[in-house]
Amino acid sequence: QVQLQESGPGLVRPSGTLSLTCTVSGGSISSNNYLNWVRQPPGKGLEWIGQISHGGRPNYNPSLQSRFTISVDKSKNQFSLRLNSVTAADTAVYYCARGKGGWAADAFDLWGQGTIVTVSS
Amino acid sequence: QSVLTQPPSTSGTPGQRVTISCSGSSSSIGSNTVNWYQQLPGTAPKLLIYSNNQRPSGVPDRFSGSKSDTSASLAISGLQSEDEADYYCAAWDDSLNGVVFGGGTKLTVL
Repeated sequence: QVQLQESGPGLVRPSGTLSLTCTVSGGSISSNNYLNWVRQPPGKGLEWIGQISHGGRPNYNPSLQSRFTISVDKSKNQFSLRLNSVTAADTAVYYCARGKGGWAADAFDLWGQGTIVTVSS
Repeated sequence: QSVLTQPPSTSGTPGQRVTISCSGSSSSIGSNTVNWYQQLPGTAPKLLIYSNNQRPSGVPDRFSGSKSDTSASLAISGLQSEDEADYYCAAWDDSLNGVVFGGGTKLTVL
């Protein structure tokens, strides 16, 4: 059974850089699936951050500042999220999620358990 | 403010049927399929409905989805206490070239 697991620092200082990794276990990243990052601020709704295609091309939420970078390392079965110049508004639970098929607009059929990131000095 | 609009909350009694609406635009729901996610308290979201009305394996047929023009609905029949959760609609938006979510609807089972 394929599973996703996020990992990251938990606490990041304001203006610092956040780096998160999503590790795929129980299987490999399919060459067809899109891999997504979604975040959820405390007590609020879900926000799509972006995705990376099976070809390694990222696509980001244009409503967010261009501070995000998504990358994939197929040899490690991992994909990553990097966020520069963090502020308190970036405090959230960050989820990685797999697209169901080979299409960017596909539903997210597999989610990680989420990792809590707090931005604070 | 979310691109897709959902009511913040709804409620029902056990056995009742409830519906949750999701309103979008011509570039989102009007042009693409709608997906629904269920988020139980303290857990990650779970895919509930995809492609407007398809249920993943393991999702009870008490859950159903529909779409018309720029709106979609999630219906839950035979409401159970374990259905108490937050529900989110989502769709691709051609104008934004990305996924948009609704603000979420909190379902309370009275």
